[in-house]
Amino acid sequence: NAGVTQTPKFQVLKTGQSMTLQCAQDMNHEYMSWYRQDPGMGLRLIHYSVGAGITDQGEVPNGYNVSRSTTEDFPLRLLSAAPSQTSVYFCASRDQGRTEAFFGQGTRLTVV
Amino acid sequence: AQSVAQPEDQVNVAEGNPLTVKCTYSVSGNPYLFWYVQYPNRGLQFLLKYITGDNLVKGSYGFEAEFNKSQTSFHLKKPSALVSDSALYFCAVRELYGGATNKLIFGTGTLLAVQP
Repeated sequence: NAGVTQTPKFQVLKTGQSMTLQCAQDMNHEYMSWYRQDPGMGLRLIHYSVGAGITDQGEVPNGYNVSRSTTEDFPLRLLSAAPSQTSVYFCASRDQGRTEAFFGQGTRLTVV
Repeated sequence: AQSVAQPEDQVNVAEGNPLTVKCTYSVSGNPYLFWYVQYPNRGLQFLLKYITGDNLVKGSYGFEAEFNKSQTSFHLKKPSALVSDSALYFCAVRELYGGATNKLIFGTGTLLAVQP
């Protein structure tokens, strides 16, 4: 039972590079979200999705894009990385019948 | 807009003593409240939740939390702390309005340090 899987676990980017953080869940959950965790700021919601083909912005969406073409996958794209995007990124999912979310192990991203 | 406040950046407690990690929230409707724990270099693990019913909620690893509507608080407690409880604890709130959404809003976290 894999749960929520994030790849990669670590990544270093140069300013201006692009990349995609992958998130996959095998629990057939409808709802998926991306958060970033920064010291002293807790977790802040970047984007979320309530089902395949439906996405919406969270608290800090600028600089990030998402898509949800399947129930299982919810990739997060950085089109032009900036040092301010250095953070730990978490993906989460839950299904309609449950209230608590399940989290991946995180991706630690450094932009230099 | 919904929000969560964890007023203490760090809580220090001796092993065997009771612990409390504080959380207050703000929502316009009925809250769903959660506690998560994060061990070093790991993701968040669900501890417990309040949805409705009994104000005292019991969760994993001997933790419990008390929902207080008048004080808009949801403090995390444990009668006897263990060194292995040392971790970062997050309180979170979700408000159900109209259709269900996944806007789970977190506090800034409280580092619990249990001394042997």
